[in-house]
Amino acid sequence: EAGVAQSPRYKIIEKRQSVAFWCNPISGHATLYWYQQILGQGPKLLIQFQNNGVVDDSQLPKDRFSAERLKGVDSTLKIQPAKLEDSAVYLCASSLAGVNTQYFGPGTRLTVL
Amino acid sequence: GENVEQHPSTLSVQEGDSAVIKCTYSDSASNYFPWYKQELGKRPQLIIDIRSNVGEKKDQRIAVTLNKTAKHFSLHITETQPEDSAVYFCAASDNNAGNMLTFGGGTRLMVKP
Repeated sequence: EAGVAQSPRYKIIEKRQSVAFWCNPISGHATLYWYQQILGQGPKLLIQFQNNGVVDDSQLPKDRFSAERLKGVDSTLKIQPAKLEDSAVYLCASSLAGVNTQYFGPGTRLTVL
Repeated sequence: GENVEQHPSTLSVQEGDSAVIKCTYSDSASNYFPWYKQELGKRPQLIIDIRSNVGEKKDQRIAVTLNKTAKHFSLHITETQPEDSAVYFCAASDNNAGNMLTFGGGTRLMVKP
């Protein structure tokens, strides 16, 4: 079974630039999560989708972050404009609907200079 | 919201010794408690989980215990091996509220050969 795919794996940008990350969940997984993992910390949930609807985005900084999952499969997370404190690994995870177990992708390491 | 505290932040053991990592949570509604292992630069991988209707679960050298009254749970690794060296994260969620995971801060385990 193919795992969660993410791209790009690494991204370096200047502050105030824009960046987008892509995630392809495990086939059949209706629930998709985006997490932010700052160096030395545990992952922090940014947004959760069930199919193409948002379940929770209470920790998403909506003034600069946006996410979508238009067809209920792939998802993109965008930051515009980026700040220095956005430097982190952005992890995507997926799970079957109503099932606890989440499977993580390899992450995108973002460096904002 | 849920808050998960994890201790210790670093743990160094001799190969063959046991390692114990402890977590406490704040939300009494939480009912699912997974543990993830994250090697340097890699994705978090689920190693064991426990639900609130169970007090203990074992899988070979790994065990997890849960005390719902005290709101704490622990990971036990016996006969540690150098390949157990990684960062371990505990997490908690309420699967009646969307399965969103709240992670602890992580424990860096170093197993010395």
